[in-house]
Amino acid sequence: ETGVTQSPTHLIKTRGQQVTLRCSSQSGHNTVSWYQQALGQGPQFIFQYYREEENGRGNFPPRFSGLQFPNYSSELNVNALELDDSALYLCASSRTRQGSTDTQYFGPGTRLTVL
Amino acid sequence: DQQVKQNSPSLSVQEGRISILNCDYTNSMFDYFLWYKKYPAEGPTFLISISSIKDKNEDGRFTVFLNKSAKHLSLHIVPSQPGDSAVYFCAASAHNDMRFGAGTRLTVKP
Repeated sequence: ETGVTQSPTHLIKTRGQQVTLRCSSQSGHNTVSWYQQALGQGPQFIFQYYREEENGRGNFPPRFSGLQFPNYSSELNVNALELDDSALYLCASSRTRQGSTDTQYFGPGTRLTVL
Repeated sequence: DQQVKQNSPSLSVQEGRISILNCDYTNSMFDYFLWYKKYPAEGPTFLISISSIKDKNEDGRFTVFLNKSAKHLSLHIVPSQPGDSAVYFCAASAHNDMRFGAGTRLTVKP
């Protein structure tokens, strides 16, 4: 059991709306990364937070934003939803700042559908 | 841009035989490579990794090989077991940017 949880499990939104997805990392893990996984694709890196500050970002527009809190929880916010935002959103936590070389523990994901 | 490619969407092997999953990458800046396994309705689970300074890493039934000149890595599972049936993702990282392949669905038949 990884100890990483995500909520909600599923979510349906319409175009133009805003959404907030939540992740609870394993205790002691200071780094959280968010990924978008479209159907039939591998996860795509959105961004990473280390101790509440952004520590790296992939090719996603500014309407994808995040927050990390001291209690090992974090949020992914997406504004002005588009149909192509429909995907599985995964968060992953790790102990160190070097999140990409440290073992990442993934949550089960939130399935977002944009209509 | 697909910097990490898994060209085989699926692979089927017989129980007890070797499973070989392949992965190619294009970015020579990648310095760390990982394999993840994913079951339905679960997040990916870390399986094995290798640093670019090595060409082989072994953990039980799982071995990862890295060929830097060819920008190619592979995961060998031997012997394969039905419980190994899952989607396998390879990933490569550089400077906290991790890129995943599209995955290979492995089916191990009893």
